Amino acid sequence: AQSVSQHNHHVILSEAASLELGCNYSYGGTVNLFWYVQYPGQHLQLLLKYFSGDPLVKGIKGFEAEFIKSKFSFNLRKPSVQWSDTAEYFCAVNIPNSGYALNFGKGTSLLVTP
Amino acid sequence: DTAVSQTPKYLVTQMGNDKSIKCEQNLGHDTMYWYKQDSKKFLKIMFSYNNKELIINETVPNRFSPKSPDKAHLNLHINSLELGDSAVYFCASSQSYARGEQYFGPGTRLTVT
Repeated sequence: AQSVSQHNHHVILSEAASLELGCNYSYGGTVNLFWYVQYPGQHLQLLLKYFSGDPLVKGIKGFEAEFIKSKFSFNLRKPSVQWSDTAEYFCAVNIPNSGYALNFGKGTSLLVTP
Repeated sequence: DTAVSQTPKYLVTQMGNDKSIKCEQNLGHDTMYWYKQDSKKFLKIMFSYNNKELIINETVPNRFSPKSPDKAHLNLHINSLELGDSAVYFCASSQSYARGEQYFGPGTRLTVT
């Protein structure tokens, strides 16, 4: 079965620190990749997506992610986090043979301290 | 001017009751989804409809029945509610069946007592 793994379940950073959240998926074919963010008490918002083309994608709020096909990875990065980035981050993959539903990782809870 | 809306936002009910959650999208999308987020924040697909037709029906108890009266609406009806049904239910929509970018509603927090 296809799966999405997020390696860090809880991350605590100080403001201005750099962020990298790992995401790996297990599927050998073509995939679409996403990062979603869920701020406390809110719904999921799309941070960025990768369908094809340049493997380095830029999203909203200064986030970027790099798709490395050989590693089946799609890690999320931000050079300098802010307190307002405190949220739950979900990596997701949608795969043609799963009806294009999103398969989510278990999420990473990020706490940014002032 | 909410893109994907859900009602109610909170639902507290007793075991054994039947309840419905409504979802509407005004984005003109063809495909709609229901996801369940458990207490550990794990999100899992339940159902997907494309142009009112069911295309995904994951391993979900048949007490859960989705209904799509038109492509802008996807409602979720739950019969004989159980404690384990307590979760946050998210509706989402996407432009088409094969376009994976999904837009989520605000969620409905269901608490079964």
